[in-house]
Amino acid sequence: GESVGLHLPTLSVQEGDNSIINCAYSNSASDYFIWYKQESGKGPQFIIDIRSNMDKRQGQRVTVLLNKTVKHLSLQIAATQPGDSAVYFCAERRDNFNKFYFGSGTKLNVKP
Amino acid sequence: ETGVTQSPTHLIKTRGQQVTLRCSSQSGHNTVSWYQQALGQGPQFIFQYYREEENGRGNFPPRFSGLQFPNYSSELNVNALELDDSALYLCASSLATGLAGNTIYFGEGSWLTVV
Repeated sequence: GESVGLHLPTLSVQEGDNSIINCAYSNSASDYFIWYKQESGKGPQFIIDIRSNMDKRQGQRVTVLLNKTVKHLSLQIAATQPGDSAVYFCAERRDNFNKFYFGSGTKLNVKP
Repeated sequence: ETGVTQSPTHLIKTRGQQVTLRCSSQSGHNTVSWYQQALGQGPQFIFQYYREEENGRGNFPPRFSGLQFPNYSSELNVNALELDDSALYLCASSLATGLAGNTIYFGEGSWLTVV
């Protein structure tokens, strides 16, 4: 079936390095994507979003890239900090009613 | 701080019991969605309420039901609890529907343990 998935379940990076978290999706009709960060014991926290008519969007220290040709989404975090350690989810919206489908997440470990 | 509040934060129920979870949406948001997040997994869509009507449902049995009130707050009810219902239940609110780019904001969730 169609799903949202992540390439790497765990990513370890050194503090100060850049991190790249990848996500594959299979529904070509999805029109909106969101990256969330979830710290242990907390709800998902919005990081950045991108619409399907864009291929790149930048925020503070984060950049999301969307490649619709290969149905791939990535989150880039610049100068990764220990506070960035968390599980990251990508979510896709497949219809007009704001229902989102999440992958299983990537855990980011930032080593000091 | 998303402005989405959920209660209770933690609860323990016995198999076969019923539970009600509550959510207050962010001010001005008229759409509330509920998600179930099992340990180690991503959130799974249960259903969504828009202006007090159910507006879409995921692959959850009828014993999962909900309500939305005129002030847009919402309840999730689960009857005949099963052990596999143990999870974090997340409420998310957003503004309107049908428009691309309506970000959903999550509360901190209600941890349900069924024993």
